Amino acid sequence: QQPVQSPQAVILREGEDAVINCSSSKALYSVHWYRQKHGEAPVFLMILLKGGEQKGHEKISASFNEKKQQSSLYLTASQLSYSGTYFCGTVAGGTSYGKLTFGQGTILTVHP
Amino acid sequence: DAGITQSPRHKVTETGTPVTLRCHQTENHRYMYWYRQDPGHGLRLIHYSYGVKDTDKGEVSDGYSVSRSKTEDFLLTLESATSSQTSVYFCAISDLGGAYSGANVLTFGAGSRLTVL
Repeated sequence: QQPVQSPQAVILREGEDAVINCSSSKALYSVHWYRQKHGEAPVFLMILLKGGEQKGHEKISASFNEKKQQSSLYLTASQLSYSGTYFCGTVAGGTSYGKLTFGQGTILTVHP
Repeated sequence: DAGITQSPRHKVTETGTPVTLRCHQTENHRYMYWYRQDPGHGLRLIHYSYGVKDTDKGEVSDGYSVSRSKTEDFLLTLESATSSQTSVYFCAISDLGGAYSGANVLTFGAGSRLTVL
C-alpha cells in the first residue's frame, strides 16, 4: 500500500518555506525522499532511518516520527532550483533492504 | 548518471505486440528494479531482482515478466502490450554499501516512454 503525501501541490515565491508530509499505514524501517525535475529521473535527496539518523541533503531537512509512521520534508528559504515533484519512499518491516514503496508525489513550484 | 542505461528511450507499439525494455548497469549493484510512473500514482514497483536469476514481484506485476541472466542486465517484457501499459518505465539500481550502508538508496535510469496504441 502506497504512503500518502500531502499536499498534492505547492506554489511558492523564492525565499518562502514549505513542508511536505508523508504518512504510511505500516510500521516503517526507513523513509526516503527523492526529487524529480520535469522530464528527468528521480534523484535521491535523503534517507531517515529508524532510530532518528538522517543522511543526505545539506539545505533540506526532514523528520521521521516512527510511532506515527510519518515523515515531513522541510524546505526553507526555497530557491528556483527546488521546483519539481517530491516523492517519499517507505521501507516497511524490520529489514533495511526491503522494497521501496513510493507516494503519489507532491508538485512544488517556486516562482521568482 | 551513475552508469545505468535504459533502452529504448521511446517506443510506440500496437496492442497485442510483445515489447522488451532493457536496463544495463555498470555499477555491479546487486539490486535492480523496474517501476512505472503514471500521473496521480507516483512510482509503482513492477518487479525487482536481488541477484542473477533471482527476481520477485512488485505491486503491479500483472502483464509483465522480467529476467536477469547477468548482473548488469535486467529485462522487462510485456508479452502482449495493452493500452493500460502506456507509461514511463524507470529502472533503478541499489546496493547496501557505500555512504548509506544498510539502506537501499536507489539510483534511477533516464526512463523509457512506452506508448501502446
